[in-house]
Amino acid sequence: AQTVTQSQPEMSVQEAETVTLSCTYDTSESDYYLFWYKQPPSRQMILVIRQEAYKQQNATENRFSVNFQKAAKSFSLKISDSQLGDAAMYFCAYRSEGGRDDKIIFGKGTRLHILP
Amino acid sequence: DTEVTQTPKHLVMGMTNKKSLKCEQHMGHRAMYWYKQKAKKPPELMFVYSYEKLSINESVPSRFSPECPNSSLLNLHLHALQPEDSALYLCASSQPQSLSGSSYEQYFGPGTRLTVT
Repeated sequence: AQTVTQSQPEMSVQEAETVTLSCTYDTSESDYYLFWYKQPPSRQMILVIRQEAYKQQNATENRFSVNFQKAAKSFSLKISDSQLGDAAMYFCAYRSEGGRDDKIIFGKGTRLHILP
Repeated sequence: DTEVTQTPKHLVMGMTNKKSLKCEQHMGHRAMYWYKQKAKKPPELMFVYSYEKLSINESVPSRFSPECPNSSLLNLHLHALQPEDSALYLCASSQPQSLSGSSYEQYFGPGTRLTVT
């Protein structure tokens, strides 16, 4: 069975600085998708970034980028120029491609605090 | 339109009440999900509907009863809940695994904050 591990329950970063959130996963599959979701306090969970396992190029969305290391089964999220609005719970998630079911597997989350 | 809507936003119910949560999406997604989320925890999957058929039930107690009337709507019927059922209930949608060429990311609604008294 697949697992997703986020080893940092909480992190803090100064506004305008760069922060990296860690995520590792375990799978025997070769084709899958990885996601980072953001859930601000009392607000909606939104997709931040998506990575297809077959793509070697790391995904980037504005200030958010990932470092995808398939052999190491690592998928970290880098947030550049941190802003107060980035304060949220961040969940790393895994989904099979062509698997038997429609489940997404979530990590336990990392709560990110932005210090003004 | 990447919106999933949920009603009501908040719900307070007694342990003998019957209520329903509603979810709607118009993205053409054919998989819809119910999750339960406790504070500072990841969402826990409850049910998955794929092409309007229940495909996954994660051993959820029968006091929770899902329904998918059509491809855009998802309901969760609640009856005789317990205080420990108080949580944020999230609906999500995506393309199903069986539909090749999709990226399968799930889009979440804002949730219904349920309090059982």
